[in-house]
Amino acid sequence: SQQREEDPQALSIQEGENATMNCSYKTSINNLQWYRQNSGRGLVHLILIRSNEREKHSGRLRVTLDTSKKSSSLLITASRAADTASYFCATRPDTGANSKLTFGKGITLSVRP
Amino acid sequence: EPEVTQTPSHQVTQMGQEVILRCVPISNHLYFYWYRQILGQKVEFLVSFYNNEISEKSEIFDDQFSVERPDGSNFTLKIRSTKLEDSAMYFCASTRERMLNGNTEAFFGQGTRLTVV
Repeated sequence: SQQREEDPQALSIQEGENATMNCSYKTSINNLQWYRQNSGRGLVHLILIRSNEREKHSGRLRVTLDTSKKSSSLLITASRAADTASYFCATRPDTGANSKLTFGKGITLSVRP
Repeated sequence: EPEVTQTPSHQVTQMGQEVILRCVPISNHLYFYWYRQILGQKVEFLVSFYNNEISEKSEIFDDQFSVERPDGSNFTLKIRSTKLEDSAMYFCASTRERMLNGNTEAFFGQGTRLTVV
């Protein structure tokens, strides 16, 4: 299975600081995506990185992917209180017609004002 | 910006009752999905649907579950006889293309919180 591990499980930082969240996976992937979920709400797509990409930026977000280590990191720069949420990485496998995303348990980010 | 909408936002039902969760995917999307998230746990894939048939389902998606696209806009998840352990947040998602495409982003709805009592 594409067992996923994310670390840290919870992260608390001061507004303005950078937040780095990591995700590791076990099988070959087609792409890896990061999602945000505010408490009790839906999943919001943040960024997608393909298996042949190493780094991607979107606004204050920077995602890296190391397929040799089967890991990804999400960096949020200059964090804001509104960034407080749970962050999930999800992978799309590289095999067959499998169309599902496999999610991890998520990382809870708290940004203190 | 186009979005996936789900109704109701919260559904409370008695054990053994049937529930139907409704979703309106983004209008030009062709692939539809249901996921669920039990409180405090990871988001789990249930089923994917394309061209009016199930293309993939997980072991969670047993005979108690069914999906349907009754018209050109709605995509529904039915649970025939709910159990306590069906209590979860259910998310609908849609994509324009098959997830095999490396650029395909899945758009998720806000979810329906199902509480079985």
